[in-house]
Amino acid sequence: AQKITQTQPGMFVQEKEAVTLDCTYDTSDPSYGLFWYKQPSSGEMIFLIYQGSYDQQNATEGRYSLNFQKARKSANLVISASQLGDSAMYFCAMRGDSNYQLIWGAGTKLIIKP
Amino acid sequence: ETGVTQSPTHLIKTRGQQVTLRCSSQSGHNTVSWYQQALGQGPQFIFQYYREEENGRGNFPPRFSGLQFPNYSSELNVNALELDDSALYLCASSGTGDLNTEAFFGQGTRLTVV
Repeated sequence: AQKITQTQPGMFVQEKEAVTLDCTYDTSDPSYGLFWYKQPSSGEMIFLIYQGSYDQQNATEGRYSLNFQKARKSANLVISASQLGDSAMYFCAMRGDSNYQLIWGAGTKLIIKP
Repeated sequence: ETGVTQSPTHLIKTRGQQVTLRCSSQSGHNTVSWYQQALGQGPQFIFQYYREEENGRGNFPPRFSGLQFPNYSSELNVNALELDDSALYLCASSGTGDLNTEAFFGQGTRLTVV
C-alpha cells in the first residue's frame, strides 16, 4: 500500500525566512513520482514541484526546492525567502507506477507572519 | 489559472437527492480525475477517465459515477446523497496518466448535504 505522511499540521514562519515542510512516503513501487501542491483558501490546488524517483538531482522551481532523500523515503519541500502570499495549505502527493491515482498527505497549514 | 473549470462552485443539497458536478478539462488534456476532499483532510481519489473510459477507481461506492465526453469534459454524479458526502470535489486534468505528469486542478465544487 502507498502512504504519504505529513507530520506538521501547522507552521508559523516569519516573513523572508526559509521554511521546510516535511513529507515521508511509503511505497513498494519501483518507480514513482512525488508532487507538492499549494491550496489557498479559495480551494484550487496549485502545482509547485515534481520529483521522480530516479531523478539524480533534487528538483528546483524558483523559490521552491525539494530535498529528496530516497533511502529515508522523504521528500521535504523547502521554500526560500517566504512571502505573505505563501500562507496556504501545502500537500505532498505521490503517484506510483502500479496505479493511476495521486495519494495525498493530510497537509500542512503554513502561516507567514509579517 | 489552469484552464480547468468546474461548475457549480457551491451547491447545497438535501440528503437522498442526486447531484451532478461538471468539469471542463484543459485544452489538449485527455485524462480527467475526480477527488473528494473532506474538511481538514487531503483529497481522496474517486476515479479517473481516459478517452471516455474509466481506467481507475478509488474506494467509493457505486452511487458515485462519472462520464467523460468526446471533448474530454467530465461529469461526476452522486446518487442518494449522504451527510458525509459534504466536501470539496476537485477535478484534475492531465495530458496523460503517466507517472510524471502533473495534474492541473479546477477551483473545486463545495457540496453541502443537509
